[in-house]
Amino acid sequence: SAVISQKPSRDICQRGTSLTIQCQVDSQVTMMFWYRQQPGQSLTLIATANQGSEATYESGFVIDKFPISRPNLTFSTLTVSNMSPEDSSIYLCSATVGEKLFFGSGTQLSVL
Amino acid sequence: KQEVTQIPAALSVPEGENLVLNCSFTDSAIYNLQWFRQDPGKGLTSLLLIQSSQREQTSGRLNASLDKSSGRSTLYIAASQPGDSATYLCAVPSSSNTGKLIFGQGTTLQVKP
Repeated sequence: SAVISQKPSRDICQRGTSLTIQCQVDSQVTMMFWYRQQPGQSLTLIATANQGSEATYESGFVIDKFPISRPNLTFSTLTVSNMSPEDSSIYLCSATVGEKLFFGSGTQLSVL
Repeated sequence: KQEVTQIPAALSVPEGENLVLNCSFTDSAIYNLQWFRQDPGKGLTSLLLIQSSQREQTSGRLNASLDKSSGRSTLYIAASQPGDSATYLCAVPSSSNTGKLIFGQGTTLQVKP
């Protein structure tokens, strides 16, 4: 299994600002993933982050809006840039161990 | 394109009841299926993972079954407790990338004392 620590757990931000979310895994993992869960919706994958290469973004998500860093095998960050109220969601990082996907506790973001 | 559907969207039962949550998927060529639990405003906890070659998996009071040919999975919860109240999500990998999961909308369960 894996223990994934994510911070901040929640934040309230002003329109036009940026927020960086940090994710730390207690073991080395090849791939990490960032998901978004909009209010009342299920989860949608934003991007896959591999160490040493650029993140791979899903349709509808772009690097300028959601830049991702993956400096080593245990850590990743997601930045939500130039925020608008539509970005209010829960953001979750995750990692695969074996075939199971483990999640952090999530960051609940509210944009005013 | 794989789609995952969960029925019902919400369920309220008295404590002690046995219950079944349903999950269906459109493309039967899956690698595995995973059930998660999500508490309000929180992340997801993996409950059970069933490989494509398996029919069921059990963990404590939880039993998940998989019927690939019909594109269905069920999560059976025995002797439900108020602490089981949460949203339950099923998900399947979109491809060989098992980190890219397609999620259902979830079933929100309330167990009343």
